[in-house]
Amino acid sequence: GQNIDQPTEMTATEGAIVQINCTYQTSGFNGLFWYQQHAGEAPTFLSYNVLDGLEEKGRFSSFLSRSKGYSYLLLKELQMKDSASYLCAALDSNYQLIWGAGTKLIIKP
Amino acid sequence: GAVVSQHPSWVICKSGTSVKIECRSLDFQATTMFWYRQFPKQSLMLMATSNEGSKATYEQGVEKDKFLINHASLTLSTLTVTSAHPEDSSFYICSARGRIPGPQHFGDGTRLSIL
Repeated sequence: GQNIDQPTEMTATEGAIVQINCTYQTSGFNGLFWYQQHAGEAPTFLSYNVLDGLEEKGRFSSFLSRSKGYSYLLLKELQMKDSASYLCAALDSNYQLIWGAGTKLIIKP
Repeated sequence: GAVVSQHPSWVICKSGTSVKIECRSLDFQATTMFWYRQFPKQSLMLMATSNEGSKATYEQGVEKDKFLINHASLTLSTLTVTSAHPEDSSFYICSARGRIPGPQHFGDGTRLSIL
């Protein structure tokens, strides 16, 4: 079956760095997405990785290892507004998005 | 960037009413649109996938006669919740995708409350 695993909840301190891990098992693979979802709002697109390696976008970076079925989202210089759920989603061979349940990130002052 | 407009943002209506939600891609052509439902503190649940000009594909357990989806153009999809009941109260979110592979871009969601 197809499966995405990510931690349910993480806590970090303002100004610090946090890494949110995601492992995936899909029928075929056409890339991995990260989305941010604030409570009560729709998800917003953060990143897309299809090749191995690290993609940096400001304070946020996303990493992919296809051989390990593994990705992480790295958030630097954490701000209170980064408190949100972070959703990992893999695109399978039929270009269907398989969603993780999301990681709730709590930022403390 | 890609913009998806979803309307209305909030709906409060009586049980038995039918409610139509619109989803528009404003600056790109959406070959595929998706409809999700999310209950409080739960994950996104895909309800159906629709391609322009063809019938929607519904996920298991989603009643196609209750949740009518129309994707008549490359920029517009609608979801109609027919004869809505209190258990249909939820946060409904649409998303649209242009090129493959490419991200889904989400509308702001519709909060539906059935009294």
